[in-house]
Amino acid sequence: AQSVTQLGSHVSVSEGALVLLRCNYSSSVPPYLFWYVQYPNQGLQLLLKYTTGATLVKGINGFEAEFKKSETSFHLTKPSAHMSDAAEYFCAVRSSGGYNKLIFGAGTRLAVHP
Amino acid sequence: DAGVIQSPRHEVTEMGQEVTLRCKPISGHNSLFWYRQTMMRGLELLIYFNNNVPIDDSGMPEDRFSAKMPNASFSTLKIQPSEPRDSAVYFCASGRTGPGEQYFGPGTRLTVT
Repeated sequence: AQSVTQLGSHVSVSEGALVLLRCNYSSSVPPYLFWYVQYPNQGLQLLLKYTTGATLVKGINGFEAEFKKSETSFHLTKPSAHMSDAAEYFCAVRSSGGYNKLIFGAGTRLAVHP
Repeated sequence: DAGVIQSPRHEVTEMGQEVTLRCKPISGHNSLFWYRQTMMRGLELLIYFNNNVPIDDSGMPEDRFSAKMPNASFSTLKIQPSEPRDSAVYFCASGRTGPGEQYFGPGTRLTVT
């Protein structure tokens, strides 16, 4: 069975500091991995995705993530946090059962302090 | 290009009433997903369709919940009768077979009093 674990339900950083949100996955097949962001009172928005090829993936708003097969990780980073980055972030892996079903992690709420 | 459209955006109803939530997926997408999000339980997948056919409804909490997709551009999620514990934000998402990503609508915030 596939699963996603996000370490840390809450992360707090200062404006301008590095953002690191951790995601580990379990998959019996080569994974397709995703990060989504949810701003208050909005739906989930795709930040970036990894399917095949380059393991460092760049997304919107300056975020990037690196697929590390040996560590079964797909951590999300941003060099310098902005107040507008405060949101909830979800990591997901595509289910091997097909049909684009995604297995989501529990989410990490990012707070950014001035 | 229009995204996933959900209606209504907010619904307040009394316990025992029927509630119908609506979703229009992105044109050309052939997969559609209904989710429920609450503080206590997080994001839950309720049911999903592929080419208008229900594939897995194991996430539907009770027989009070039902979903249909009569055509490629419309889906409904119905709760009958509604209960206060159904209060949540309900999301619809769509995608195309292959790439894997889903695109989410803005959600319907349901409050059952």
